[in-house]
Amino acid sequence: SQQGEEDPQALSIQEGENATMNCSYKTSINNLQWYRQNSGRGLVHLILIRSNEREKHSGRLRVTLDTSKKSSSLLITASRAADTASYFCATDGPRAQKLVFGQGTRLTINP
Amino acid sequence: NAGVTQTPKFRVLKTGQSMTLLCAQDMNHEYMYWYRQDPGMGLRLIHYSVGEGTTAKGEVPDGYNVSRLKKQNFLLGLESAAPSQTSVYFCASSYGWGQRYEQYFGPGTRLTVT
Repeated sequence: SQQGEEDPQALSIQEGENATMNCSYKTSINNLQWYRQNSGRGLVHLILIRSNEREKHSGRLRVTLDTSKKSSSLLITASRAADTASYFCATDGPRAQKLVFGQGTRLTINP
Repeated sequence: NAGVTQTPKFRVLKTGQSMTLLCAQDMNHEYMYWYRQDPGMGLRLIHYSVGEGTTAKGEVPDGYNVSRLKKQNFLLGLESAAPSQTSVYFCASSYGWGQRYEQYFGPGTRLTVT
């Protein structure tokens, strides 16, 4: 059963602009993770946010978590061509423990 | 450290043939996973292992078998390949179990079954 769902499915912006992707989930969570996948590569972990955290930063990345709305957002500021990739959120319910990945947002940064 | 490696990178099989995908990790991780990735479907867990000598079914285990004879290796087998198994296969590993631990992914194996 799918837990996290990303929105939008695809996003295209100009280099230097900010990119925002959203993830919604169905059941309560303990943690939520974001991953990046460059074309033809494996996934790379970006950031983990715990259910008792509301915001977390890592370089140009900012992740927010709203447990009341069961949603998270990933903001990439000052985007670069190298940020072109698919971005996935991963989470699960309180008992299942295994990570479940959404379908991803495909981000394209245009020079 | 090489991290997580997968062999082969590409493979074409005919329906009914068998093959084994090899995953190796050098991070001494207890937990290992096999996923498949299909367009529009995200990543789906096939099988996983919580330690040497143990395996368990994931979300889509039918048609696949796995073995974890050594801690650093996790093998995924297809006994009789079907076109529906055309996909990109990713292996991953993690230090701990569950959502608290990040997973480290290999580069993937692109499998085509004709």
